[in-house]
Amino acid sequence: GQQLNQSPQSMFIQEGEDVSMNCTSSSIFNTWLWYKQDPGEGPVLLIALYKAGELTSNGRLTAQFGITRKDSFLNISASIPSDVGIYFCAGFNAGNNRKLIWGLGTSLAVNP
Amino acid sequence: ETGVTQTPRHLVMGMTNKKSLKCEQHLGHNAMYWYKQSAKKPLELMFVYSLEERVENNSVPSRFSPECPNSSHLFLHLHTLQPEDSALYLCASSQERGIRNTIYFGEGSWLTVV
Repeated sequence: GQQLNQSPQSMFIQEGEDVSMNCTSSSIFNTWLWYKQDPGEGPVLLIALYKAGELTSNGRLTAQFGITRKDSFLNISASIPSDVGIYFCAGFNAGNNRKLIWGLGTSLAVNP
Repeated sequence: ETGVTQTPRHLVMGMTNKKSLKCEQHLGHNAMYWYKQSAKKPLELMFVYSLEERVENNSVPSRFSPECPNSSHLFLHLHTLQPEDSALYLCASSQERGIRNTIYFGEGSWLTVV
């Protein structure tokens, strides 16, 4: 099935650094969702985006819905050790708002 | 606490066993989902229930049988599974509103088939 291109696959950074990751699709999306998953847990929703160009923040996290509607990025500022985990992008493309299309995730490690 | 509760969190079953996974959502949502998460693969949608009616069945083998008795509860009945069915099974719910749909996940049930 379709999947999103999410990059980078993994990142190893120092505490305090900013992080950026992005997702691209081959088709137009109506919704972009960013999730974080800790080991052994389910994905937790971080940010939801519904409109092209929309920029939304949640604490140190900021995400944007690309104006082409085919991409989105997530930034984390001033990373801390508890930011460690896997970050997934997901979205609904036009015509099906029940089947989320997923990226393979970005694994983030933070060195204290 | 996401408002979606799954039990059991861990399950080990033999290939001839029958077991069930349970999900309950406390968010007042009108749609519920089962997903399968395997290593190095995107999350796979298995089933969708909207207003207690099954609206998607993503070519899932019949050894997985969902049940949605009401809008707050969802079950996944498991029977004669294979070792390759071992995975994290995630329940989710959402309030469908036109093209806006935001999905909230439970903590998952780790299934090991031996």
